[in-house]
Amino acid sequence: EPEVTQTPSHQVTQMGQEVILRCVPISNHLYFYWYRQILGQKVEFLVSFYNNEISEKSEIFDDQFSVERPDGSNFTLKIRSTKLEDSAMYFCASSRAAEQFFGPGTRLTVL
Amino acid sequence: GNSVTQMEGPVTLSEEAFLTINCTYTATGYPSLFWYVQYPGEGLQLLLKATKADDKGSNKGFEATYRKETTSFHLEKGSVQVSDSAVYFCALNTNTGNQFYFGTGTSLTVIP
Repeated sequence: EPEVTQTPSHQVTQMGQEVILRCVPISNHLYFYWYRQILGQKVEFLVSFYNNEISEKSEIFDDQFSVERPDGSNFTLKIRSTKLEDSAMYFCASSRAAEQFFGPGTRLTVL
Repeated sequence: GNSVTQMEGPVTLSEEAFLTINCTYTATGYPSLFWYVQYPGEGLQLLLKATKADDKGSNKGFEATYRKETTSFHLEKGSVQVSDSAVYFCALNTNTGNQFYFGTGTSLTVIP
């Protein structure tokens, strides 16, 4: 059964460093998303991506964040200069219709 | 706006007990409703869904009915097992390509 994959499973970085989180969505899906979940809190929407551009983004998704689909398979989230409060689990998701399929997440720890 | 309010946890039950996790929503238009489950160390997995009023989603013994009149989508299971221990998230989606709105999640622990 096709699934969304994410790498790495855990990323540790120093405050101020750039990180890139990688996702491989399900191959025939058209919509791609990033969400984050700070420990003990709600899963929060960051951004959705369709037809090679951002279709929707939340207030969390400020200038420090960017997304890219550099080739036909990968979908990346870049955080330019990480802050302590960026520590969270980041989930990628993809969809063709209403149901979104989620990856296993990348746990980002900013020290 | 769109939002989901979910019963606070954690919930601890004995094996074979009846489970209810309450979920209510606020939405513009006609949303689809979902329950996702997150097992320890894993990502979010779709448990069940309902796309219109009065639909009942069911999977693995879990059920939830889309109630437009009460704007609810409560999750139920008649007899829980230890393997059901996980965090359960209620969510809504208003249209294809739009974001999901999640509840805060309810942690369930089932003890033998």
